[in-house]
Amino acid sequence: DTGVSQNPRHKITKRGQNVTFRCDPISEHNRLYWYRQTLGQGPEFLTYFQNEAQLEKSRLLSDRFSAERPKGSFSTLEIQRTEQGDSAMYLCASSSGTGGNQPQHFGDGTRLSIL
Amino acid sequence: QKEVEQNSGPLSVPEGAIASLNCTYSDRGSQSFFWYRQYSGKSPELIMFIYSNGDKEDGRFTAQLNKASQYVSLLIRDSQPSDSATYLCASWGTGKLIFGQGTTLQVKP
Repeated sequence: DTGVSQNPRHKITKRGQNVTFRCDPISEHNRLYWYRQTLGQGPEFLTYFQNEAQLEKSRLLSDRFSAERPKGSFSTLEIQRTEQGDSAMYLCASSSGTGGNQPQHFGDGTRLSIL
Repeated sequence: QKEVEQNSGPLSVPEGAIASLNCTYSDRGSQSFFWYRQYSGKSPELIMFIYSNGDKEDGRFTAQLNKASQYVSLLIRDSQPSDSATYLCASWGTGKLIFGQGTTLQVKP
């Protein structure tokens, strides 16, 4: 069990650029989640996958955000045409099982700064 | 009304005391509840989870759940300065985990 791995740890980019983050879950976990966290707030749900299927997507997620998990292993989160308000910590978590009662384990996150 | 509510604090307790952290939730359909600890600049770390009414103990930590009152709490016994962090309460409902804003705990030596 090597834990959830996220890359890069930090990303600084100019407004309007596209960015992509990667998450490698704990190997035996079939569920993978993406969250966004800003200072002083709890993580905010973005989307989650069970294996390769994207089962839920937050209504707060604009069309500029897209996530994939093509082979049911790692996942990518892409933000197109970044805006100042996208500056946040992007967290990935994974869990086993198919229900919501399994604990989620978080990676170290990717901190995004928009100039 | 927020779906999961926590007092942001800070909650300050002396070393060795019991820290009591509270959380209320609005979705009566929520079945699973989780407590995470988050140090400044770090990601959330799972401390405990609870599914059934009553108490669940793990070392110095006790989680309490009262579904009728829609109330979850976390007790930390013999608080240590290393327990100083933000504690996040989360509930699983309607297909996603909903977090409160967190309570900042300060344990003073």
